[in-house]
Amino acid sequence: AQTVTQSQPEMSVQEAETVTLSCTYDTSESDYYLFWYKQPPSRQMILVIRQEAYKQQNATENRFSVNFQKAAKSFSLKISDSQLGDAAMYFCAYRSAGGAQKLVFGQGTRLTINP
Amino acid sequence: GAGVSQSPSNKVTEKGKDVELRCDPISGHTALYWYRQSLGQGLEFLIYFQGNSAPDKSGLPSDRFSAERTGGSVSTLTIQRTQQEDSAVYLCASSRNNGPNYGYTFGSGTRLTVV
Repeated sequence: AQTVTQSQPEMSVQEAETVTLSCTYDTSESDYYLFWYKQPPSRQMILVIRQEAYKQQNATENRFSVNFQKAAKSFSLKISDSQLGDAAMYFCAYRSAGGAQKLVFGQGTRLTINP
Repeated sequence: GAGVSQSPSNKVTEKGKDVELRCDPISGHTALYWYRQSLGQGLEFLIYFQGNSAPDKSGLPSDRFSAERTGGSVSTLTIQRTQQEDSAVYLCASSRNNGPNYGYTFGSGTRLTVV
């Protein structure tokens, strides 16, 4: 079974600075998808960014980018120019490319933005 | 509807009572997922529907938990004889199809408190 580990329960960063959230995963599959979700106090999970394992190029969405290291099974999220609205819980998630349809989530990292 | 709707938003129930949680997915989304999020934890997969059938029920924690989906639309998660450890946020997500290229849209969840 696949597992996802986020080793940082909490992180904080100064507004306008850059922060990196860590995620590692364990799988024997070669084809899969990785995601970062944001969960604000409203509880709704919002997709931040997604990476296909077969793509070597790291995904980027505006201020959000990932460092995907397939051999190391590492998938970190970098937030540049942090804004107060970025404060939330961030979850890393894994999904198989075929077969199992479910997302497997890490335990989450609570990100605080200091003004 | 425009988004995934879950009701009630909050539910307080007495230990031993049965509860029903409702999820109304985005119109046309054939795949529907239930997750449970205990306090300070990541999301735990419960069950996945494709249309009205449930190919994956592997996450249901006990036989007190059941779910159904009718008309390929609304889903109900039922917890019988609730216990205090059932207290959690129950999140529903839907997807246009079950393939990994289709993103998930999450609802805002039902916070269940068993007293």
